[in-house]
Amino acid sequence: EAGVTQFPSHSVIEKGQTVTLRCDPISGHDNLYWYRRVMGKEIKFLLHFVKESKQDESGMPNNRFLAERTGGTYSTLKVQPAELEDSGVYFCASSQGHEQFFGPGTRLTVL
Amino acid sequence: GQNIDQPTEMTATEGAIVQINCTYQTSGFNGLFWYQQHAGEAPTFLSYNVLDGLEEKGRFSSFLSRSKGYSYLLLKELQMKDSASYLCAVRDRGYGQNFVFGPGTRLSVLP
Repeated sequence: EAGVTQFPSHSVIEKGQTVTLRCDPISGHDNLYWYRRVMGKEIKFLLHFVKESKQDESGMPNNRFLAERTGGTYSTLKVQPAELEDSGVYFCASSQGHEQFFGPGTRLTVL
Repeated sequence: GQNIDQPTEMTATEGAIVQINCTYQTSGFNGLFWYQQHAGEAPTFLSYNVLDGLEEKGRFSSFLSRSKGYSYLLLKELQMKDSASYLCAVRDRGYGQNFVFGPGTRLSVLP
């Protein structure tokens, strides 16, 4: 069975540009999560989808971040416009039970 | 507030036993999770405790005391491949919701 996949694996953009990250969860998993790890800090929760609905978006840092999960399958996380402090590794995870399966992450560098 | 503490680094010898401690203070509690993360890879699930006591899973065991806000991960018969970061995470609200991660403990296993 395929695991959680994320695209791209790396992205380098300039401050002010837009970037869209994609996550494909394990098929059949209703729960999808986005997390971010800034260099040297712990993994921070961003938001949680149940199917296509946002269950909890309390971790989203500001309105430059927009997450969608149309149709309840894959999800996108758009950052517009990107700022220097947005650099980090963005992880996606999915679950059906209590165990979360993480994707490999997208390393975002904003210059 | 939300706070999870773990030692930053630990070193142990191949074949030995190591215990990684985690203390937490969260607004709610609905399970404590341990993840292993090798450098540049996604976190992978190791264990889950929601009731007090010890959960054993092969060479890995995890213990929880909810009254003390304390958990530990015990790794036996250490192997070189166990060198990784170990993340303690607490699910602080209802099913499937916000995970709060600790900073991780970087374990180095020496020959």
